[in-house]
Amino acid sequence: KQEVTQIPAALSVPEGENLVLNCSFTDSAIYNLQWFRQDPGKGLTSLLLIQSSQREQTSGRLNASLDKSSGRSTLYIAASQPGDSATYLCAVGSSGSNYQLIWGAGTKLIIKP
Amino acid sequence: KAGVTQTPRYLIKTRGQQVTLSCSPISGHRSVSWYQQTPGQGLQFLFEYFSETQRNKGNFPGRFSGRQFSNSRSEMNVSTLELGDSALYLCASSPSGGARDTQYFGPGTRLTVL
Repeated sequence: KQEVTQIPAALSVPEGENLVLNCSFTDSAIYNLQWFRQDPGKGLTSLLLIQSSQREQTSGRLNASLDKSSGRSTLYIAASQPGDSATYLCAVGSSGSNYQLIWGAGTKLIIKP
Repeated sequence: KAGVTQTPRYLIKTRGQQVTLSCSPISGHRSVSWYQQTPGQGLQFLFEYFSETQRNKGNFPGRFSGRQFSNSRSEMNVSTLELGDSALYLCASSPSGGARDTQYFGPGTRLTVL
């Protein structure tokens, strides 16, 4: 059974710092991996989607990497801003016919001005 | 383009009742997925509908059901409500690639069961 873990559960850093959020999964047979952010009182926003055949994806100040063999993904945020404060969730897309996203518990990120 | 909309935003029900939640996807999207989010279990996948057919299903009891209409709008029904069904219910729509593609989420329906 796939399990997804995100460490740390919470992170507070000063504005301007570069930071890395971690996601690990137990079964390397995945279809894809997605990173989302969730703001209080709002739904989720998709940030990056990495197919199982890819090693990384970039969007603006965000870069996500995927290492299937070690069961790890990282989300790198460059030059953090207070607007980046949110909960970041990693979700692994299962392989096989019954596709579903298996979610981590998230990392709550606070960027201090 | 309008985003994913969910109605109602808040609901209060009592144990044993049933409830129906509605989700309108982004125009042109054919896939709608439903999720339950609770503080204890986090986000869990309920099911995905694509072109009016349930395509994928999570590990929830049969009290949780859904359907999709020809205009891609979807409804989720929970019968015989239990206290543990209190949660934020999120729906997400995807374009023609289905749930394997990028998912766009609505703001959710907050269900409280008393």
